[in-house]
Amino acid sequence: EVQLEQSGGGLVHPGGSLRLSCAASGFTLRSHWIHWVRQRPGKGLEWVSRITIDGSTRFADSVNGRFTISRDDTRNTLYLQMNSLRAEDTAVYYCARDEGAGTPLDFWGQGTLVTVSS
Amino acid sequence: DVQMTQSPSSLSASVGGRVTISCRASQTITNSVNWYQQRPGKAPRLLIYGASNLKSGVPSRFRGGGSGTYFTLTITSLQPEDFATYSCQYSDSFGQGTKLE
Repeated sequence: EVQLEQSGGGLVHPGGSLRLSCAASGFTLRSHWIHWVRQRPGKGLEWVSRITIDGSTRFADSVNGRFTISRDDTRNTLYLQMNSLRAEDTAVYYCARDEGAGTPLDFWGQGTLVTVSS
Repeated sequence: DVQMTQSPSSLSASVGGRVTISCRASQTITNSVNWYQQRPGKAPRLLIYGASNLKSGVPSRFRGGGSGTYFTLTITSLQPEDFATYSCQYSDSFGQGTKLE
């Protein structure tokens, strides 16, 4: 069964850092594009970043330079490192997979809440 | 970058009824438009991909359509479990979401 299990959310002060994890089971993470999508409280879905099969990464302008993605193929796990966090980064973060450009996000993690507050 | 403008932001309907949600792209795009359903506190769930293709296991009362810059999601014979939020997506752009209540 395909699953994406997320962990690592929590409360962090402005300017702080947090690392989110997205562990895959039932498929090989490196064979898919994996995206991070967030949802601020009461708002719509917002694309944050993605990593392709060959390891190429892309980020939304709002997080570019502050967030990075890494992949541990031995653990079949993806990480989103979030630095210099701001109040506006407060959101539920989802990881999701697709088959590449133009394909849908067919499986999603359960989401993890990140709260940036003093 | 392409922007997806979704309307309406909320919609009232009744069980057994029919609703249509639309998404307008800021420029002509391919048919790689996807629709997701999201229930409160849950992750989004893929319903329609490639504008009009129903994901396996999704009831046939969900129908996607459109091309160019205008895309729609129609739900017929509304069931209680259909009252949720729906979002369109193209590439890295999501619509703002429509809450069906």
